[in-house]
Amino acid sequence: TQLLEQSPQFLSIQEGENLTVYCNSSSVFSSLQWYRQEPGEGPVLLVTVVTGGEVKKLKRLTFQFGDARKDSSLHITAAQPGDTGLYLCAGANDYKLSFGAGTTVTVRA
Amino acid sequence: SAVISQKPSRDICQRGTSLTIQCQVDSQVTMMFWYRQQPGQSLTLIATANQGSEATYESGFVIDKFPISRPNLTFSTLTVSNMSPEDSSIYLCSARESGRETQYFGPGTRLLVL
Repeated sequence: TQLLEQSPQFLSIQEGENLTVYCNSSSVFSSLQWYRQEPGEGPVLLVTVVTGGEVKKLKRLTFQFGDARKDSSLHITAAQPGDTGLYLCAGANDYKLSFGAGTTVTVRA
Repeated sequence: SAVISQKPSRDICQRGTSLTIQCQVDSQVTMMFWYRQQPGQSLTLIATANQGSEATYESGFVIDKFPISRPNLTFSTLTVSNMSPEDSSIYLCSARESGRETQYFGPGTRLLVL
């Protein structure tokens, strides 16, 4: 059983469309991290959110941490083919990260 | 941010043999971890590599199968022992500084056991 539930599992959209990935848990985390992983590579950190209610923007990517620090979302505006990849959320408690199952995003040109 | 390298990047091994994976971080870090990512799946923590003491293993992983060394604050090794095809996976090294929330990952070692 995954501690973190990610949805959707797969997402295929056309270039220029928007998308949102959700990460939910019944557990409270001290922080939550989002990674993107491309085939044949390790996960690359996109953002760390620490404060409940925090919103962080990274160009076309917007990350939100829930007020109760149990959930998070990743929103991509005007998606591009370069956004294609596996998006992973990971919640931190003590020194350990618990990963969601991941969302595979495909952006078609 | 910490830059992490791993060697080898990939290998094909025979059943019953062992492979040692090396992980090098470009700065001193307090915490290092080893993860496994099986095909099409998310990351599972194998163990926390402790400097100067035995690694802390997660449920389902044991030292005899996955011995880990961490001789200093920038380097660690993971050995996959007596391999079987079920060990075919990506093995990822990760590092984090004490008091910091951010954790970084290496590029992974892709292991195929025949």
